Amino acid sequence: RKEVEQDPGPFNVPEGATVAFNCTYSNSASQSFFWYRQDCRKEPKLLMSVYSSGNEDGRFTAQLNRASQYISLLIRDSKLSDSATYLCVVNNKYSGGGADGLTFGKGTHLIIQP
Amino acid sequence: NAGVTQTPKFQVLKTGQSMTLQCAQDMNHEYMSWYRQDPGMGLRLIHYSVGAGITDQGEVPNGYNVSRSTTEDFPLRLLSAAPSQTSVYFCASVRVPGSYGYTFGSGTRLTVV
Repeated sequence: RKEVEQDPGPFNVPEGATVAFNCTYSNSASQSFFWYRQDCRKEPKLLMSVYSSGNEDGRFTAQLNRASQYISLLIRDSKLSDSATYLCVVNNKYSGGGADGLTFGKGTHLIIQP
Repeated sequence: NAGVTQTPKFQVLKTGQSMTLQCAQDMNHEYMSWYRQDPGMGLRLIHYSVGAGITDQGEVPNGYNVSRSTTEDFPLRLLSAAPSQTSVYFCASVRVPGSYGYTFGSGTRLTVV
């Protein structure tokens, strides 16, 4: 089983719609979780961290379900500029001195259509 | 602040050539790492460093060397380039691993022919 799995998409969504995608992880001891955004031919950029209680940043909401080992990202009122690849990232270690601990999903490709 | 700066942005090498990919950060981050990203695959860790003078191997270290003589710089050396090393390379840094998100450089697109 892959450590971090995402539906690669593409998700084709009309502008203004709500879109959600999930990510599952295999290591139940995983400590921290993130969503990154990556535009075509650009570097990944942190979108938001994911907390156990769920967290919201404007139109974006992230949820963590430890029991089922999945993370979700919800985008409301989608904009054309939301078109990108969204990477799910899981960290299995808190501190340095050991392996990096970061495992990246392959990403979900989102296309917002006018 | 410039963040994480990578050079060059593009490079074409012939099989067997060597080169160094440069990475510098001005955020005083102790932790730095190198990833490669290939089509259809997630980012994979090549090498990382938890501070000046300390480096360690990641998931795919073969064919690459690193050194960390200063907090700011973390160069990646390709010893003898192979076509399998054609990829996009990202350098990243963070103050405390696992505590928050990493800052990535803009990447180096390397083609080995």
